[in-house]
Amino acid sequence: DQQVKQNSPSLSVQEGRISILNCDYTNSMFDYFLWYKKYPAEGPTFLISISSIKDKNEDGRFTVFLNKSAKHLSLHIVPSQPGDSAVYFCAAVGSRLTFGEGTQLTVNP
Amino acid sequence: EAGVAQSPRYKIIEKRQSVAFWCNPISGHATLYWYQQILGQGPKLLIQFQNNGVVDDSQLPKDRFSAERLKGVDSTLKIQPAKLEDSAVYLCASSPVSGRAGDDIQYFGAGTRLSVL
Repeated sequence: DQQVKQNSPSLSVQEGRISILNCDYTNSMFDYFLWYKKYPAEGPTFLISISSIKDKNEDGRFTVFLNKSAKHLSLHIVPSQPGDSAVYFCAAVGSRLTFGEGTQLTVNP
Repeated sequence: EAGVAQSPRYKIIEKRQSVAFWCNPISGHATLYWYQQILGQGPKLLIQFQNNGVVDDSQLPKDRFSAERLKGVDSTLKIQPAKLEDSAVYLCASSPVSGRAGDDIQYFGAGTRLSVL
């Protein structure tokens, strides 16, 4: 069963605009959520996280929003830069870290 | 600070052969993880060590996969015999303290890409 889903395999945006990456989960016991970013031929690197007791966490250009009632979280990147082009994974903490399938973000100059 | 080191970077084998991957975590990190990432999917935890003890191996196919972390530092993951469906990237990660992902960020190596022909 896929407990964490990222329904958009890819997203393309223009430089300077907002990128919104979405993630849905099914397990209401998840109590912490993280976003990882992955460049080709590298391992995933931690980007930002949010506790289930919060609905928003901001770090510079990156903001994560959590809607517990909808079991949905999103990552906003404003403004988007070409260097943000990467695969973004949503992950949820339960008994272990469970990842979504990833979304390939392409930011066009 | 050196990151998580993994070797080899690439490995091509035929089905039914055996293969081993090596991981050296960030110095001082107590917890070490092995993940399998199949193309188009997110990483899936295979096994988690706390120092040299196993915390979670519930998703490790134990009939063919084995892993050890004898001295609580580096680790090896072995597949014997390999199947076609084992083709994937094998990622090693480490975290500094308790291993609870909400508290400790996991730092990943670049992975080993395995192709089973």
